[in-house]
Amino acid sequence: DVKVTQSSRYLVKRTGEKVFLECVQDMDHENMFWYRQDPGLGLRLIYFSYDVKMKEKGDIPEGYSVSREKKERFSLILESASTNQTSMYLCASSPPGQGVGVWNSPLHFGNGTRLTVT
Amino acid sequence: AQKVTQAQTEISVVEKEDVTLDCVYETRDTTYYLFWYKQPPSGELVFLIRRNSFDEQNEISGRYSWNFQKSTSSFNFTITASQVVDSAVYFCALSEGGAGKSTFGDGTTLTVKP
Repeated sequence: DVKVTQSSRYLVKRTGEKVFLECVQDMDHENMFWYRQDPGLGLRLIYFSYDVKMKEKGDIPEGYSVSREKKERFSLILESASTNQTSMYLCASSPPGQGVGVWNSPLHFGNGTRLTVT
Repeated sequence: AQKVTQAQTEISVVEKEDVTLDCVYETRDTTYYLFWYKQPPSGELVFLIRRNSFDEQNEISGRYSWNFQKSTSSFNFTITASQVVDSAVYFCALSEGGAGKSTFGDGTTLTVKP
């Protein structure tokens, strides 16, 4: 089974801190994603990567950056944490899609990191 | 733009009842993929099914079944004889072909009471 591991289940950080959320997958998947989940808003895509050192903005990239130095690891960085970034953060990975599609493969999710910024 | 609507925010049923979760989507692409995911209280989203736009066959997997109708842009999910373990948040998602991005619905919280 694919295993997507997020380094922390719960995090509490202060406003203005630089925050790193780490995600590792063990199935050699090309694609990796960061979503945030908020009540009533579903899942919103922050960033994704379809290859090492490649990154693409999702729907809500403001205030975030990412790093993918190795295929198995995808890090989400909050440059200066703010209270409106308090949320559940979900990492996911997927194998290559059919044809040119990144998006047609099922996503494999980690357990999530619940981040509270005070 | 693509959009997924799960009109039912919360559903509560008693064990052994059948329940249908609705999913309506909007897309301009002719090639797209539809997904259902389950998020139990533990938090990890689990993939349940994928359908592509060219395959309108309904699917049954145990107590789960899916009804895909392009004419109404719907991809509904039915649980037969629900069980307490079915309690979870269920998400419908749409991915357009090519470079399109995935869009998730807001989710439906299903509570199955004993």
